[in-house]
Amino acid sequence: DTEVTQTPKHLVMGMTNKKSLKCEQHMGHRAMYWYKQKAKKPPELMFVYSYEKLSINESVPSRFSPECPNSSLLNLHLHALQPEDSALYLCASSQGTGRYSGNTIYFGEGSWLTVV
Amino acid sequence: AQTVTQSQPEMSVQEAETVTLSCTYDTSESNYYLFWYKQPPSRQMILVIRQEAYKQQNATENRFSVNFQKAAKSFSLKISDSQLGDTAMYFCAFMSFSNTGNQFYFGTGTSLTVIP
Repeated sequence: DTEVTQTPKHLVMGMTNKKSLKCEQHMGHRAMYWYKQKAKKPPELMFVYSYEKLSINESVPSRFSPECPNSSLLNLHLHALQPEDSALYLCASSQGTGRYSGNTIYFGEGSWLTVV
Repeated sequence: AQTVTQSQPEMSVQEAETVTLSCTYDTSESNYYLFWYKQPPSRQMILVIRQEAYKQQNATENRFSVNFQKAAKSFSLKISDSQLGDTAMYFCAFMSFSNTGNQFYFGTGTSLTVIP
């Protein structure tokens, strides 16, 4: 069973809608990640939060806005998306960052996003 | 920059047989971690096995084992006694360390089908 929980599992939204994806972990991890995955492709890193601060933004368009309210929660706010943004969005967490911080990333089940 | 190459886009194996998935990588770092993740049709990324680069002993997890050749930068996954539940996409991944967020570099994946 995954210890990284994502909601909703499926989301259909129009290009003018505002919606959010949510992620929660109860492993005491201090680093959380958002990945985007298209069909039959590997996950692509979008954002990394380390100790509740945004530490990596992989040049993601501003229509994706991450938020980390506390060390257990990670949100991805969506606004004015395009049909090409339709994908599986994976949340992940790790104990921390750096060489001695715990070296495995654990993934949630993902949120399927369809933009119409 | 780190790169991960999986040269076998698709593979199949008879149930109960053994199959080996290939992975090569390129890095200038001396200490790192390597992973195999499994992604079944449900799309959750599941950790299969992990190898620490400074350990010479190959990692094993039940029916899964790796052949880690550091000098050759090769990291293959062997699945013994293949089961129908092993049908999935398998991603090889390299982890580099950073205090801003440990980053994964994924290969393009190998789609494995176990045939009854």
